[in-house]
Amino acid sequence: GENVEQHPSTLSVQEGDSAVIKCTYSDSASNYFPWYKQELGKRPQLIIDIRSNVGEKKDQRIAVTLNKTAKHFSLHITETQPEDSAVYFCAVQSQGAQKLVFGQGTRLTINP
Amino acid sequence: KAGVTQTPRYLIKTRGQQVTLSCSPISGHRSVSWYQQTPGQGLQFLFEYFSETQRNKGNFPGRFSGRQFSNSRSEMNVSTLELGDSALYLCASSGGGVNEKLFFGSGTQLSVL
Repeated sequence: GENVEQHPSTLSVQEGDSAVIKCTYSDSASNYFPWYKQELGKRPQLIIDIRSNVGEKKDQRIAVTLNKTAKHFSLHITETQPEDSAVYFCAVQSQGAQKLVFGQGTRLTINP
Repeated sequence: KAGVTQTPRYLIKTRGQQVTLSCSPISGHRSVSWYQQTPGQGLQFLFEYFSETQRNKGNFPGRFSGRQFSNSRSEMNVSTLELGDSALYLCASSGGGVNEKLFFGSGTQLSVL
């Protein structure tokens, strides 16, 4: 089955700097790649997603890049702010399978 | 539009008991998925229902079951609870089409003593 590896497991950056989280996956048939943000005690919230026919997608300070050949995708957060502190999860969905396989999560801490 | 609603928010049970969790999807969503979240295993897929039919199932024992009603509301049941079933159980809904966005509820925190 699909396997998703997420790195790093923890990340600490200074406010205003950029943060990058990377995920690799195993199933070449995977074609949908969402990212979720989960604050302590709250639900996972979809922050950005990308489909396999697109290489990059941006939404204000957040961007996701996808390299289908290498089977990896990354989340980029620029100009980080304290409210960006949370656990971030990448996920992968294969075509025809109505389920997400999640990475293990990255705990991002923004230091003021 | 109201989000995904899960009840109850917290549950405490003892080993051997059974439990039923409830999920109401976003209005108009026909697909409901369930995930188990633990510190050690992360987020793991349990099953997905669409139009009252289970379409996908994860690698969990038969003690974990679910169903979906004609109004798309879903329940999941865990029988003969074990200590290891302590987790946050998250429900998510979507329209049910290919690669549709998945929206999560706040979850039910289950503690098994």
